[in-house]
Amino acid sequence: AQSVTQLDSHVSVSEGTPVLLRCNYSSSYSPSLFWYVQHPNKGLQLLLKYTSAATLVKGINGFEAEFKKSETSFHLTKPSAHMSDAAEYFCVVSAGGSTGNQFYFGTGTSLTVIP
Amino acid sequence: GAGVSQSPSNKVTEKGKDVELRCDPISGHTALYWYRQSLGQGLEFLIYFQGNSAPDKSGLPSDRFSAERTGGSVSTLTIQRTQQEDSAVYLCASSLEQGGYEQFFGPGTRLTVL
Repeated sequence: AQSVTQLDSHVSVSEGTPVLLRCNYSSSYSPSLFWYVQHPNKGLQLLLKYTSAATLVKGINGFEAEFKKSETSFHLTKPSAHMSDAAEYFCVVSAGGSTGNQFYFGTGTSLTVIP
Repeated sequence: GAGVSQSPSNKVTEKGKDVELRCDPISGHTALYWYRQSLGQGLEFLIYFQGNSAPDKSGLPSDRFSAERTGGSVSTLTIQRTQQEDSAVYLCASSLEQGGYEQFFGPGTRLTVL
């Protein structure tokens, strides 16, 4: 079975400080992992994805994530938060097997950036 | 190029009425997904289409929900005898193929059942 747990429902950081959004996954197969961002009243946008290549994945807007199989984690980081990063972030797992067609979304982490 | 489009953007209906939500995927994308996003929740998978294969309906919450995809392109999600708990944003996504390919999302249809 596949599932995703986003460990924090809300994260608040000051502008210019690092961002860490945590995600743990469960998968019976080699997973593909994604982070999506949803700005208020906007559609979901892909930030980055891991599909069994390099374990450190770089995405758009300075975000990156590291796939750690031993910890079943795929945490999202950014060295310096910007006001425009305030949004809802979703960690997603897609895996093979009989449910390989499905994407499993976490419940989301709301990021607030304090000026 | 054009992204995924959905219509209507907003739909208000009365309890017990049927509604149809439309999704136009990106041209050439063979996979199409429907999700539901309730207030403050993550995305709930509803149904998945891949090419001419039988759709994966495992996420449909009840038999009041159905979807079809005509000609491998446009898809319609139908909710019969709507209930207040059906109120949510319904999102459509398409991808080049199944599995680990990026899904491109539409802007969603906000459904309100009074």
